[in-house]
Amino acid sequence: KNEVEQSPQNLTAQEGEFITINCSYSVGISALHWMQQHPGGGIVSLFMLSSGKKKHGRLIATINIQEKHSSLHITASHPRDSAVYICAVIRGSQGNLIFGKGTKLSVKP
Amino acid sequence: DTGVSQDPRHKITKRGQNVTFRCDPISEHNRLYWYRQTLGQGPEFLTYFQNEAQLEKSRLLSDRFSAERPKGSFSTLEIQRTEQGDSAMYLCASSFGAGSGDTQYFGPGTRLTVL
Repeated sequence: KNEVEQSPQNLTAQEGEFITINCSYSVGISALHWMQQHPGGGIVSLFMLSSGKKKHGRLIATINIQEKHSSLHITASHPRDSAVYICAVIRGSQGNLIFGKGTKLSVKP
Repeated sequence: DTGVSQDPRHKITKRGQNVTFRCDPISEHNRLYWYRQTLGQGPEFLTYFQNEAQLEKSRLLSDRFSAERPKGSFSTLEIQRTEQGDSAMYLCASSFGAGSGDTQYFGPGTRLTVL
């Protein structure tokens, strides 16, 4: 079993829909990242969370440390949001990231 | 563009050949990470440096792999006697600080294809 599990693996939505991507982890962590990866490889960090909730534009990320679960929400989704969204955790003081397999999001116009 | 560059962007090689990749991090960043990503999977940690010191290596980093960061700036990742299973995207990331929660900035990756 992977230490970081994401669901769903693939998600297709219509433009304007509210989207939720989930991440569960099984190890103790010091922080959790949500990242976006576009075709061709480039990874961009969206959020880093250690507790609570963060919002940036149409993106909202929440984390529940007790339940070892985080969610990424996209409001009013747009075709340009189409990408792979990756959850990654930092375990202890090591700094190296443990990644989920990613959720491929496709938003149709 | 995050400010982290990698060279080359693509490399095609024959099995058994040696390859070397380079990563130039953001200049003031003291931490540098190497990850490997195969198709349809999330990236996997390979190794990381704090300044010139290699502090951790994953068990994925077999003895055919070696990484250096000689002056605490750019880093190289060398794969000797490449195998088809080495085909992947090799990602470099850098961060500033000593804490585990610092944001990592990723380069565009080097895609390796071993024929």
